[in-house]
Amino acid sequence: GAVVSQHPSRVICKSGTSVKIECRSLDFQATTMFWYRQFPKQSLMLMATSNEGSKATYEQGVEKDKFLINHASLTLSTLTVTSAHPEDSSFYICSALPLTDQETQYFGPGTRLLVL
Amino acid sequence: DAKTTQPPSMDCAEGRAANLPCNHSTISGNEYVYWYRQIHSQGPQYIIHGLKNNETNEMASLIITEDRKSSTLILPHATLRDTAVYYCILYNAGNNRKLIWGLGTSLAVNP
Repeated sequence: GAVVSQHPSRVICKSGTSVKIECRSLDFQATTMFWYRQFPKQSLMLMATSNEGSKATYEQGVEKDKFLINHASLTLSTLTVTSAHPEDSSFYICSALPLTDQETQYFGPGTRLLVL
Repeated sequence: DAKTTQPPSMDCAEGRAANLPCNHSTISGNEYVYWYRQIHSQGPQYIIHGLKNNETNEMASLIITEDRKSSTLILPHATLRDTAVYYCILYNAGNNRKLIWGLGTSLAVNP
């Protein structure tokens, strides 16, 4: 149980294009999902907290107009990197808090983004 | 900033127990100790968590000292697939349920 998927697993795009990453909780519902970014040899950095049906809460320094988050259902949150640049190349990871266990986050497998 | 301190790296022989320490001397009464691990290029995997009692599940055991200022994650019989970065995190549901990640311990299990 508590499986989270992400799609795509890796994506290569040209500079200036937008990329959408999906995060799905497969066997549970989640009112809260989190989006993280991880650069090589560094730890996970929280980007934003996504709550179903409401606006996401962004961490300091994360541009909300560049990283658009939509959490339209209890099993799906999406992160769109708009006008991507090479410095946005990173490993993007989502996590979800089950409705029935609001304490433990379960993580997706991550999405590797490379912007050329 | 992360409120935990872990050694940057450790080695363990395959089949032996791996004991990963974590210091959290400023832990507050309502903070849980959570352990996750991250295998290279994958998302983190939940291992175990506890408040003040020792905990055990199918993956590992968690030993928390009586004063709660430190803890140890024990993998009883390490295998090569346990090679990963192990993160010890203090979690407070009141902090908007955020997890603050440190650099963890890179565990290498050797044949």
